[in-house]
Amino acid sequence: EAGVTQSPTHLIKTRGQQVTLRCSPISGHTSVYWYQQALGLGLQFLLWYDEGEERNRGNFPPRFSGRQFPNYSSELNVNALELEDSALYLCASSRGLAGGRFQFFGPGTRLTVL
Amino acid sequence: ELKVEQNPLFLSMQEEKNYTIYCNYSTTSDRLYWYRQDPGKSLESLFVLLSNGAVKQEGRLMASLDTKARLSTLHITAAVHDLSATYFCAVDRVTQGGSEKLVFGKGMKLTVNP
Repeated sequence: EAGVTQSPTHLIKTRGQQVTLRCSPISGHTSVYWYQQALGLGLQFLLWYDEGEERNRGNFPPRFSGRQFPNYSSELNVNALELEDSALYLCASSRGLAGGRFQFFGPGTRLTVL
Repeated sequence: ELKVEQNPLFLSMQEEKNYTIYCNYSTTSDRLYWYRQDPGKSLESLFVLLSNGAVKQEGRLMASLDTKARLSTLHITAAVHDLSATYFCAVDRVTQGGSEKLVFGKGMKLTVNP
């Protein structure tokens, strides 16, 4: 069974630019989650999508947005990049059902904003 | 607001020694997770604990959960260098649609010295 995949693995952008990160969940998983791991700030929840809809959102400004496609893959968009957006962005997927189901994490995309 | 605290945040220990690390959370949660993260890598699922008194073991690691005390412990037995990593605990709440989000502790960086 293939795991969660993310692309690209690394990305370098400059302030003010826009970036799109991509995530493909494990086959059969309908929920996709995005987390930000910035230096010194730990892992913070960004967004949760399930069945194509945004279900929950963390404390991030509106320039962080995303969507989920009919095949359950997802994109995270960040507009007007700021230096503090530099972080490892992790995507996770789960079956979307209760009962001890792990969120399985992808390898992450490391974003550097210069 | 759900908060998760881990202690210690840094631990340097010798091989073959035992140690216990702690994870406290602030409000009722449905599930507690332990993850491992190697430098520059993503999160590896270790354990999920669902109910009071739950105990799970994998190799030299054993995790337990006390929901009344809102406390989980991760016990390391006869540490080896390969256990060096950062260990995160996380909790979530489950709705009808699944896991809302994971709230992570700051992580404990473990270094096992020969």
